[in-house]
Parts: sequence; structure tokens; C-alpha cells
Amino acid sequence: DQQVKQNSPSLSVQEGRISILNCDYTNSMFDYFLWYKKYPAEGPTFLISISSIKDKNEDGRFTVFLNKSAKHLSLHIVPSQPGDSAVYFCAARFFSSNTGKLIFGQGTTLQVKP
Amino acid sequence: DGGITQSPKYLFRKEGQNVTLSCEQNLNHDAMYWYRQDPGQGLRLIYYSQIVNDFQKGDIAEGYSVSREKKESFPLTVTSAQKNPTAFYLCASSIRDTDEAFFGQGTRLTVV
Repeated sequence: DQQVKQNSPSLSVQEGRISILNCDYTNSMFDYFLWYKKYPAEGPTFLISISSIKDKNEDGRFTVFLNKSAKHLSLHIVPSQPGDSAVYFCAARFFSSNTGKLIFGQGTTLQVKP
Repeated sequence: DGGITQSPKYLFRKEGQNVTLSCEQNLNHDAMYWYRQDPGQGLRLIYYSQIVNDFQKGDIAEGYSVSREKKESFPLTVTSAQKNPTAFYLCASSIRDTDEAFFGQGTRLTVV
């Protein structure tokens, strides 16, 4: 049972345009969401997060939107740069039995073309 | 520099052998995690530990074992009972289980 889903395996955008990466979740108990960026053969690096009490969080070129009613979050990158080409994972956390483990989606490979 | 270190980066083992992957952090983080990445499946949680001498099974713990004798170290043993051990293994840590996790560079294990 995939609780966090990234239904688009890949996305290709032109440099300077907006990249929108989507993520859906099924568990309404999730209360914290994160996006990670990963290059091949490296560990993921934290990008941006959002608490379930907010609907938007912005950090430079990166903005995460959360729609709790739709159980959907998205990551917007504006403007996209070739260095943004990587795999992006969304992750969700909930607190059950005092655990805080992260549940990851399958990842979306973003390619930004010069 | 503080960080989380996994070693080795690449590891080859023969089928039927146990192998231990190292994970060390000097971030003074309480919580540590092991994930496995397979193509198209994202990161799946194997084991996690919130405090020294305590750990819990994740979603795919069968065929794996861990120990947490020191705060800085969380080694993962891939046993011969793991049916498909070839994968990219990622270790992570966080201040408590309430914060975002920081990842190591990963170990690619190939069992032949």
C-alpha cells in the first residue's frame, strides 16, 4: 500500500520555465511533508518542507503547496535551471506510537534543458 | 565538518554471505534510519532507531539486522535470508524523529 505517490516518473522542462512536481498521499494523519533532491549515486538532500497547518512555504526559487482536502502537495521551481536536473522525492511524516519515520514517494526525475 | 558517513561506497558479496554496512554520524543526532532504494520504488524504510540500544523494524526489515550500541553508529547487516539484497542502501539521521533527516552518500551493494 503506497501511502505517498508520485505518479509522474519523469518531467522535462526548458531552462527558465516553471517546473511543477506533484505528490499525492492517502493517510490524513500525516502532518509534515518534505521534498528531497537526489543526484545519481548520492544520498538525498533536504530541499524544503511544510507543516500540515500551512498551505504554502517558499524558499528562494522553491515553493511547496499543500492542499489537505485533496491530499496533494506540489513543488514549484521557478525559474528552472539545468542544475536542478535530479530525482525529486516527496516524503511524509506522522506521529504514531511516538515514531517519526519518513514515508517516501517513488520519485520524479526532472530534466531541465538548456 | 559534521556529517553522516557511509562506507564503503561500493560493496560486492557472494550470495549466501552476510555483509555489514557502516553508518557513522558526528551530528549528535538521536535518531538514525536505514533505507533501501530500488529503481522505481523510492526509498523504503528498513530499520530505525530513536535512541541508543533501541530500534524498530521498518516496512521491509526481513533479512536485515541492526544494532545501536553507540549514538554515533548504526550498522546494518544484510543477512543471507534477504532474498534480493542487491540495492542502494541509504543511512540517515535526525535530531529527533521530529526533524528532517540528513542522508549519507549511500552504499551500493551487489550480490553475485
